[in-house]
Amino acid sequence: DAGITQSPRYKITETGRQVTLMCHQTWSHSYMFWYRQDLGHGLRLIYYSAAADITDKGEVPDGYVVSRSKTENFPLTLESATRSQTSVYFCASSGEELRVGLYNQPQHFGDGTRLSIL
Amino acid sequence: SQQGEEDPQALSIQEGENATMNCSYKTSINNLQWYRQNSGRGLVHLILIRSNEREKHSGRLRVTLDTSKKSSSLLITASRAADTASYFCATDASGSQGNLIFGKGTKLSVKP
Repeated sequence: DAGITQSPRYKITETGRQVTLMCHQTWSHSYMFWYRQDLGHGLRLIYYSAAADITDKGEVPDGYVVSRSKTENFPLTLESATRSQTSVYFCASSGEELRVGLYNQPQHFGDGTRLSIL
Repeated sequence: SQQGEEDPQALSIQEGENATMNCSYKTSINNLQWYRQNSGRGLVHLILIRSNEREKHSGRLRVTLDTSKKSSSLLITASRAADTASYFCATDASGSQGNLIFGKGTKLSVKP
């Protein structure tokens, strides 16, 4: 089925470990995003990508790494997890063509990964 | 950097009543979007209103936008228990390169 899927749905790990969260979309959307959602902060943008091999920082990028070798995948890596990165992470995608631009485009979200770092 | 601020933070109503949520923002925008989030799920896009539009309808949803006051409202008419969710406004503020900035949301509870 078409859509956007995140894996895993739940993850528990320890501080200092590397963790990779996966995101896959089947719409061939140009834009993909990673957000974290924390109580009291709402959703905050970590990184986004306008197309394959094009990524850029959002509001809270420190401690995170992204890559986009294929249009449909946008993994997020925590290279050395810290307790402050305990959160719910959402991936989203938007837009069909880069030239259309990001304006006036709704975003489509996955169901999130709940990450706990002990 | 929070752009949109929803009000109230929480709202509890009876089934059949109308629910109104407000969103205020700080800088000029191209559009404003409303999303719904059910517990444990991702956000779902509800409606998009462009900066040159004043009102938009979609089923039981009515959204207004007042750019002079930098505010928007989402009205859900004849609410149902299934409308229980958190509602977020999101704006693409100037300088955001088209990225959305989300508010903290209004938690709506509709009691049967």
